[in-house]
Amino acid sequence: AQTVTQSQPEMSVQEAETVTLSCTYDTSESDYYLFWYKQPPSRQMILVIRQEAYKQQNATENRFSVNFQKAAKSFSLKISDSQLGDAAMYFCAYRSKGGTSYGKLTFGQGTILTVHP
Amino acid sequence: EAGVAQSPRYKIIEKRQSVAFWCNPISGHATLYWYQQILGQGPKLLIQFQNNGVVDDSQLPKDRFSAERLKGVDSTLKIQPAKLEDSAVYLCASSFGLVEYEQYFGPGTRLTVT
Repeated sequence: AQTVTQSQPEMSVQEAETVTLSCTYDTSESDYYLFWYKQPPSRQMILVIRQEAYKQQNATENRFSVNFQKAAKSFSLKISDSQLGDAAMYFCAYRSKGGTSYGKLTFGQGTILTVHP
Repeated sequence: EAGVAQSPRYKIIEKRQSVAFWCNPISGHATLYWYQQILGQGPKLLIQFQNNGVVDDSQLPKDRFSAERLKGVDSTLKIQPAKLEDSAVYLCASSFGLVEYEQYFGPGTRLTVT
């Protein structure tokens, strides 16, 4: 079974600065998806960014980018020019492409991000 | 496009009582997921439907939890009887299909069992 580990329960950043959230995972599969989700206090889970394992190029979405190290099974999220609205719980998640997982997401424990003005 | 709807948003019950949660997925989405998110943890999949058939219910505590998706649209998750450890947020998500498609989440139902 796949596992996802986020070793930083809490992180903080000053507005306009850069912060990196860490995630490691364990899998024996060679092709899969990795995601970062944001969950604000409203509880609505929002997709931030998605990475396909077979793509070597790191995904980027505006101020959000990832550092995907497949051999190390590491998938970190970098938030540039942090904004107050970025404050939320961030979850790293894994999704198999095949087998019996049928697309279910396996989540890490989450990292609470605080943004200071 | 309307998002995933869930009700109620909050529910407080006593242990051994029953409770039901409702989810209306995005129109046209064939796949529906129920996740349990205990405070301070990431969501855990309870059950997954493809249309009105169950794809994965391996982590559903079947002695007390049940779920159905009649007509392949709305879904109901029931707990009977509830235990203190069932206190959590119950998230519903839907997607157009299985693996290749993004999951869209509803706002969740926060259940407190006293």
